[in-house]
Amino acid sequence: KNEVEQSPQNLTAQEGEFITINCSYSVGISALHWLQQHPGGGIVSLFMLSSGKKKHGRLIATINIQEKHSSLHITASHPRDSAVYICAVRSKAAGNKLTFGGGTRVLVKP
Amino acid sequence: DADVTQTPRNRITKTGKRIMLECSQTKGHDRMYWYRQDPGLGLRLIYYSFDVKDINKGEISDGYSVSRQAQAKFSLSLESAIPNQTALYFCATRGAEITGELFFGEGSRLTVL
Repeated sequence: KNEVEQSPQNLTAQEGEFITINCSYSVGISALHWLQQHPGGGIVSLFMLSSGKKKHGRLIATINIQEKHSSLHITASHPRDSAVYICAVRSKAAGNKLTFGGGTRVLVKP
Repeated sequence: DADVTQTPRNRITKTGKRIMLECSQTKGHDRMYWYRQDPGLGLRLIYYSFDVKDINKGEISDGYSVSRQAQAKFSLSLESAIPNQTALYFCATRGAEITGELFFGEGSRLTVL
């Protein structure tokens, strides 16, 4: 069983809608990363969290260490937000290497 | 220039051929990683290196080898490519601090016929 579970696997939204992607993990972590991968493109790091909340533009990432859960929110979604969003956790149990979730494919329609 | 550069970006080769994917970074990071991405699967770690003299196997190292020629360069080799090594390969770097940000290359798409 993957130690990092993302939901939903796929998400379609209309432009302007608020989007939430969830990530749950099973081990204690030192950091959690949210990554973005555009179709055919490379991977970009959006956030790195160890506690609390971070905001960058229309993107907000939160983490609840006690519940082993993180969310990525996209406010006022736009077609250019269409991408795969990947959650990854770093834990001492894994030798501080990253364990990746399977990704959430987001499509924002105009 | 990109922080992490991978070459080639696309390669088609035949079974049994030797292939090298190269990665160079301008971040000055000690930690470098090679990952493989397959449809429907998360990124999987092939090899990683914490400095020039340090090479470590990841979860799927069989059939692959690496070379850390310098702090900035980390190459992945497939000694004898096979079709199930067809995948998208990513190089990444990270700073030494435990919560260091990740930087990925653009990916190298390899097709083995």
